[in-house]
Amino acid sequence: NAGVTQTPKFQVLKTGQSMTLQCAQDMNHEYMSWYRQDPGMGLRLIHYSVGAGITDQGEVPNGYNVSRSTTEDFPLRLLSAAPSQTSVYFCASSPGSIMNTEAFFGQGTRLTVV
Amino acid sequence: GENVEQHPSTLSVQEGDSAVIKCTYSDSASNYFPWYKQELGKRPQLIIDIRSNVGEKKDQRIAVTLNKTAKHFSLHITETQPEDSAVYFCAASYSSASKIIFGSGTRLSIRP
Repeated sequence: NAGVTQTPKFQVLKTGQSMTLQCAQDMNHEYMSWYRQDPGMGLRLIHYSVGAGITDQGEVPNGYNVSRSTTEDFPLRLLSAAPSQTSVYFCASSPGSIMNTEAFFGQGTRLTVV
Repeated sequence: GENVEQHPSTLSVQEGDSAVIKCTYSDSASNYFPWYKQELGKRPQLIIDIRSNVGEKKDQRIAVTLNKTAKHFSLHITETQPEDSAVYFCAASYSSASKIIFGSGTRLSIRP
């Protein structure tokens, strides 16, 4: 099993550009989520999904879209990149439909918006 | 609202001494409290967790305590070693909304 795989690992965007961060898991986990990590602010929840076809907003959803067409994939779309979105992004998955078991994180994507 | 506060933000202890990190949560319905360790440049990984029907849990040098009345939970690391240097995150589940919220992290440094 590969676990949770994120691509790309690094990305530089210009202000106003759009892009999609990919996340895939091969553990048949129902729960998937996206976090951003900024210095001194810990991990903040952007969006999450309790199963295919179901998504919901987290703490900081503005500027991001998600979809969950399959159990395996949970892409994060930046609609119009802004310097405030410079961060490290982590995707995570967890068995079950509720986040009350271990979360398995991807290796992260370091995004810089210039 | 949903909130998890974590203290201290940085902690430096002598090798062999104990380290304690404390968290508070806001939702009385929270029932799952994990702790994650993140080494430099790596992904967060679960080191221990506790559920609301348990007051304390130990795993070798690591222990977690939970006080549901006060909405506090703490991570205790005994006999600290250099490899314990990392950022530690506490978290609390919010089952009413099917999500988990993380604290802001504690950077632990072990002095030789």
